[in-house]
Amino acid sequence: EAGVAQSPRYKIIEKRQSVAFWCNPISGHATLYWYQQILGQGPKLLIQFQNNGVVDDSQLPKDRFSAERLKGVDSTLKIQPAKLEDSAVYLCASSSLDRIYGYTFGSGTRLTVV
Amino acid sequence: DQQVKQNSPSLSVQEGRISILNCDYTNSMFDYFLWYKKYPAEGPTFLISISSIKDKNEDGRFTVFLNKSAKHLSLHIVPSQPGDSAVYFCAATLRNSGNTPLVFGKGTRLSVIA
Repeated sequence: EAGVAQSPRYKIIEKRQSVAFWCNPISGHATLYWYQQILGQGPKLLIQFQNNGVVDDSQLPKDRFSAERLKGVDSTLKIQPAKLEDSAVYLCASSSLDRIYGYTFGSGTRLTVV
Repeated sequence: DQQVKQNSPSLSVQEGRISILNCDYTNSMFDYFLWYKKYPAEGPTFLISISSIKDKNEDGRFTVFLNKSAKHLSLHIVPSQPGDSAVYFCAATLRNSGNTPLVFGKGTRLSVIA
């Protein structure tokens, strides 16, 4: 089974620029999550999709962050404009409805805002 | 208001000895708990889980203990191996409420010394 694919692996941008991350979940996984992991912290949920609908985006800073899941498969997360405090690893994860074994995470995108 | 707490940022153990990683939670509604392991530049990978109806779950060298009354769980690794050196995240969720997201602790960095 192929894992969760994320790109790019690394990104360095200047503050006030925009950036986008891409995620391709495991085939057949209905649920997709974006997490933000700041250095020294645990992953924090940004948004959860069920198929192509948003289930929970209560912790997404909507003034600058946006996300979509096209046709219930791939997803993109965008930041516009970026701030220094957005420097973090952005993790995508997917899960099936029977989630006994937990999510499967991608390798993440490490964003550095300078 | 951290709902899942890992109060030890790091732990160092000799190879062959037992590693004990601790986790506390505050939300009494959590009923499913997971441990994830994370190597540098990789996403977290699922390690072991436990339902709130159990007090112990074992998988090879890894055992998770749950004390619901104390809202405490621990991960035991016996014997510890150098390859176990990683960051370990404790996570909790409301398993019976559909695909609710995982809430993570800040992680504990385990170093196993040969």
